Amino acid sequence: SQTIHQWPATLVQPVGSPLSLECTVEGTSNPNLYWYRQAAGRGLQLLFYSVGIGQISSEVPQNLSASRPQDRQFILSSKKLLLSDSGFYLCAWGTSASTDTQYFGPGTRLTVL
Amino acid sequence: AQKVTQAQTEISVVEKEDVTLDCVYETRDTTYYLFWYKQPPSGELVFLIRRNSFDEQNEISGRYSWNFQKSTSSFNFTITASQVVDSAVYFCALISGANSKLTFGKGITLSVRP
Repeated sequence: SQTIHQWPATLVQPVGSPLSLECTVEGTSNPNLYWYRQAAGRGLQLLFYSVGIGQISSEVPQNLSASRPQDRQFILSSKKLLLSDSGFYLCAWGTSASTDTQYFGPGTRLTVL
Repeated sequence: AQKVTQAQTEISVVEKEDVTLDCVYETRDTTYYLFWYKQPPSGELVFLIRRNSFDEQNEISGRYSWNFQKSTSSFNFTITASQVVDSAVYFCALISGANSKLTFGKGITLSVRP
């Protein structure tokens, strides 16, 4: 069966510091991968999605970037964090059928101070 | 453009009561997919159900049931005989057309009191 992992689970970082969040998927090949952010107030916002290695689509201009160095690895990064980057970051995977169900990881809670 | 509206923000019920969570969607596409996810306090989004626009048959899974009505663009979720473990935030979501972008509603916080 498929499993999705995210780490770290929680992170407290000072403003201006770099960020690297990692997401890996097991048990499937060539998945679509997604990064979402859930800010206070619960809304879920799609940040990036990827249909293959090195293929990244950005949904919202921002302080963040994403990379997919391996088929089942998705990384969210920032060179300098802002206070507004605080939130709950969720990674998700789906099959290459673009309208298929997305399955979410456990999330990373990021606090920028 | 696609949109999902969950007009209820918070619902509180006593254990064993039935509760219905409303979801209204908007899309111009004839092919679309509707989803419900549960987010317990731990934070992970748990997939509950996926329906496509060509299948209006209602579905029941244990204490959960879903009522899909294209005439009113609604996809409501009912929990029968609610339990404390049902306490969570519930999201309705939509994928419309050929893209894979989930549009979420703002979620409904359900509190089930013992």
